[in-house]
Amino acid sequence: QVQLQESGPGLVKPSETLSLTCTVSGGSISTYYWSWIRQPPGKGLEWIGYIYYSGSTNYNPSLKSRVSISVDTSKNQFSLKLSSVTAADTAVYYCARSKTYYDILTGYSTTYYFDYWGQGTLVTVSS
Amino acid sequence: QSALTQPRSVSGSPGQSVTISCTGTSSDVGGYDYVSWYQQHPGKAPKLMIYDVSKRPSGVPDRFSGSKSGNTASLTISGLQAEDEADYYCCSYAGSSLDFGTGTKVTVL
Repeated sequence: QVQLQESGPGLVKPSETLSLTCTVSGGSISTYYWSWIRQPPGKGLEWIGYIYYSGSTNYNPSLKSRVSISVDTSKNQFSLKLSSVTAADTAVYYCARSKTYYDILTGYSTTYYFDYWGQGTLVTVSS
Repeated sequence: QSALTQPRSVSGSPGQSVTISCTGTSSDVGGYDYVSWYQQHPGKAPKLMIYDVSKRPSGVPDRFSGSKSGNTASLTISGLQAEDEADYYCCSYAGSSLDFGTGTKVTVL
């Protein structure tokens, strides 16, 4: 059974960089797409971006200037960095998996749903 | 990129059916058959209930069904049960990103 586990500091100061890691166990990080999704307290979900195990990425346009997602296949991990954080970035951050499908014309592409999720980690931005 | 519109809350008695709408535009819901639905209980991670508009993952009860008409997708829960009380979110591909809905709280009376 695939399991995802987020880790990282629970408190970040304003203007600093938020850094989180998601460790994948029970399966390989290869041939899947991996996303970060966040949820401010009492509010809805927001997709942050995804990375393919090969390293290709796609980010939410509203966060693109501040986001970087990377992958370490040797550790079965992928990571999120969000720079210049403010109180508005306070949220529970989830990592999640998307399957891939193969198209004979375009190769491997991501599906657009999340079948496995981590339990989430609360990150508070405060001085 | 903006949130898809869902009703704030819906309710029903055990055994009844409820339907949650998810309204977007031709750039997201109406433009692609990539709508998914997630169930979230308090303090828990979301759980995939429906993907690609109407497909059900293994293990999800067939009481849950999805559909789409134009720019609006819908999730129907038939034979409502107490454990169905939760928040529900839709999600749609939007060309270069993924947009979530505003969320709907389902209450079992």
